[in-house]
Amino acid sequence: QVQLLESGPGLVKPSQTLSLTCTVSGGSISSEGHYWSWIRQHPGKGLEWIGYIYYSGSTHYNPSLKSRVTISLDTSKSQFSLKLNSVTAADTAVYYCARDIPYSSAFDIWGQGTMVTVSS
Amino acid sequence: DIVMTQSPDSLAVSLGERATINCKSSQSVLYSSNNKNYLAWYQQKPGQPPKLLIYWASFRESGVPDRFSGSGSGTDFTLTISSLQAEDVAVYYCQQYYSTPYSFGQGTKLEIK
Repeated sequence: QVQLLESGPGLVKPSQTLSLTCTVSGGSISSEGHYWSWIRQHPGKGLEWIGYIYYSGSTHYNPSLKSRVTISLDTSKSQFSLKLNSVTAADTAVYYCARDIPYSSAFDIWGQGTMVTVSS
Repeated sequence: DIVMTQSPDSLAVSLGERATINCKSSQSVLYSSNNKNYLAWYQQKPGQPPKLLIYWASFRESGVPDRFSGSGSGTDFTLTISSLQAEDVAVYYCQQYYSTPYSFGQGTKLEIK
């Protein structure tokens, strides 16, 4: 059974870079057809898709965040990562990594989520 | 961008009764070449990640009780819980994956009356 686990600092200062890693276990991050996404949820609010990466390394980002986001992949460690630069308090959220059902983007596997607070 | 709008924002239903949640997309999420609706439903309980219930608008995810069903096509969709159980108290979200940026509805909070 595939499992995802997010890791990274829970507190980031304004204007700095938020960096999170998602470790994939129980399955291959290089499985054809699966895209690996980051999704966030502001406190008490709805869900916002940040972007995805494919095992080939191709990426696609939400235009609302595109100028600040980078998603990368390390297949040797079975990990994919999120970097969000120039953060503000508006980036305070629970960040989830997720996998989609092959050839769709319905997310069937989610990490437990990690809370990131942007504050000085 | 496709905007997803759910109704109602909150809903209180008696145990054993039917619960119905609606989701409307700002443009069609039906892909004509394969006749599939790119629409999913999730359940989220406090402190937990969302759980996939339904995809392709009406396909139930493995392990999801059959009291959950999805219907609709094009721009209008419905999640129905046929007989509400106590463990169904949660927030429910619809999501379109027809085009990026993928987007979610604002959520519907389901409670017991």
